[in-house]
Amino acid sequence: AQSVSQHNHHVILSEAASLELGCNYSYGGTVNLFWYVQYPGQHLQLLLKYFSGDPLVKGIKGFEAEFIKSKFSFNLRKPSVQWSDTAEYFCAVTPSGGYNKLIFGAGTRLAVHP
Amino acid sequence: DGGITQSPKYLFRKEGQNVTLSCEQNLNHDAMYWYRQDPGQGLRLIYYSQIVNDFQKGDIAEGYSVSREKKESFPLTVTSAQKNPTAFYLCASSIGGEPQHFGDGTRLSIL
Repeated sequence: AQSVSQHNHHVILSEAASLELGCNYSYGGTVNLFWYVQYPGQHLQLLLKYFSGDPLVKGIKGFEAEFIKSKFSFNLRKPSVQWSDTAEYFCAVTPSGGYNKLIFGAGTRLAVHP
Repeated sequence: DGGITQSPKYLFRKEGQNVTLSCEQNLNHDAMYWYRQDPGQGLRLIYYSQIVNDFQKGDIAEGYSVSREKKESFPLTVTSAQKNPTAFYLCASSIGGEPQHFGDGTRLSIL
């Protein structure tokens, strides 16, 4: 069965620290990959997506993610976090061409201290 | 502004009752989805619908029912058969190959 694994459930950082959130998926075919963010009290928003092409994708608010096919990974990075990045982050995957089966990871809660 | 509206924001259910969560979208999206979010488990797909009058079970459909009589609306009924209904429910929609857009969610609690 397809699954998504996020390695860190809780991450605590100070402002200006660098961030890397791990995401691995299990699926043998071609996939589309996503990172969603849920700020406190807000709805889930798309941070970035990978469909094809350059495996390094840039998203909103300075986030980026790198797709490494050989490792089945899609890690999220940000060089310098801000207090406003405090949120829950979800990695998700779906087979290419199929938006009816988004599989989500368990989420990572990020707390950034000023 | 176009978007997805879920109502109510908070809902309380007595044991043995059915309750219906509303989801309306004005994005003209063809596909709509219902997810359940539990702490530490991410989002799990309950039901989805790709066109009007058609829907499919997701991974955790037992104890839930849906209808899709209109393109804009995809209500979810949590039946008394759902033994652990306390959760945060999220509705989403999408069109073509674009990522899903999410509503603000409904938090359901059992009295």
